[in-house]
Amino acid sequence: QSVLTQPPSVSAAPGQKVTISCSGSSSNIGNNYVSWYQQLPGTAPKLLIYDNSRRPSGIPDRFSGSKSGTSATLGITGLQTGDEADYYCGTWDSSLNTPYWVFGGGTKVTVL
Amino acid sequence: QVQLQESGPGLVKPSQTLSLTCTVSGDSISSGSYYWSWIRQPAGKGLEWVGRIYTSGSTNYNPSLKSRVTISVDTSKNQFSLKLKSVTAADTAVYYCARDPLRYFGMDVWGQGTTVTVSS
Repeated sequence: QSVLTQPPSVSAAPGQKVTISCSGSSSNIGNNYVSWYQQLPGTAPKLLIYDNSRRPSGIPDRFSGSKSGTSATLGITGLQTGDEADYYCGTWDSSLNTPYWVFGGGTKVTVL
Repeated sequence: QVQLQESGPGLVKPSQTLSLTCTVSGDSISSGSYYWSWIRQPAGKGLEWVGRIYTSGSTNYNPSLKSRVTISVDTSKNQFSLKLKSVTAADTAVYYCARDPLRYFGMDVWGQGTTVTVSS
C-alpha cells in the first residue's frame, strides 16, 4: 500500500491528453514539492517534473505538472506511442520522526 | 555527462547481508550539491526509497528499513554503498542508485539498476 495514491492506469488515443492524479496528505504533498518520473519498460525511472511543475532540460513541454493542496497532477498532451510507460509521483513525507521519500504506486499509460 | 553504475552480487542467501556499490562518473560525489540515494523496485511493483547519504556522511533512511540498512560513502573512490542485513525473499528487487540535488526536489540521474535475488 503506497503512501501516495495514483490510478493504476489511464489511456487515450494518439494526440489526445491524459492526466494522472497523485493524492497524499498534509504530511507529504501538502507541505512538500512533488516530482514525477517516467519509467519505460525495462528501464530506470527518468525525472520528468521537479518542484511541482518544473521540467528538466530536454523534457518536452507536452509534459506538465501542478499541485493543489494535498494532490498533484501530471498532464501529457499530444500523446505519442513512445509515451507508453509507467509514471510515478514522489515527494517527501514528514509524518514520522525522520522524513523520507515516498512514491505513488504508479500509473500505466496506454496509447490506444 | 554524469553516470551512475550499480554493482554487486545478484544472488544473496536468506538471513545474509546484501551489499551494493554505486560508482559515480562525470561528477564528484564530494561536490556538496547532492544527496545520493538508493531506491528499489520488486518485479512488477512500484518504487520504494531505501535511503540516502550526503558527502559529509549524514544519512536518512526509510523508517520501514532503518533497522537493517547502512549507507556509506567513499569519496576517494567516488562511490557510495548500500548494506541491507538479514535479508528475506521480500528484499528481492531491482536496486537503483540515484542523484538527489539539494537545490531542487527530484532525483535527476539514475543508474540502470541491478537485480538482486534473495534465495537459498
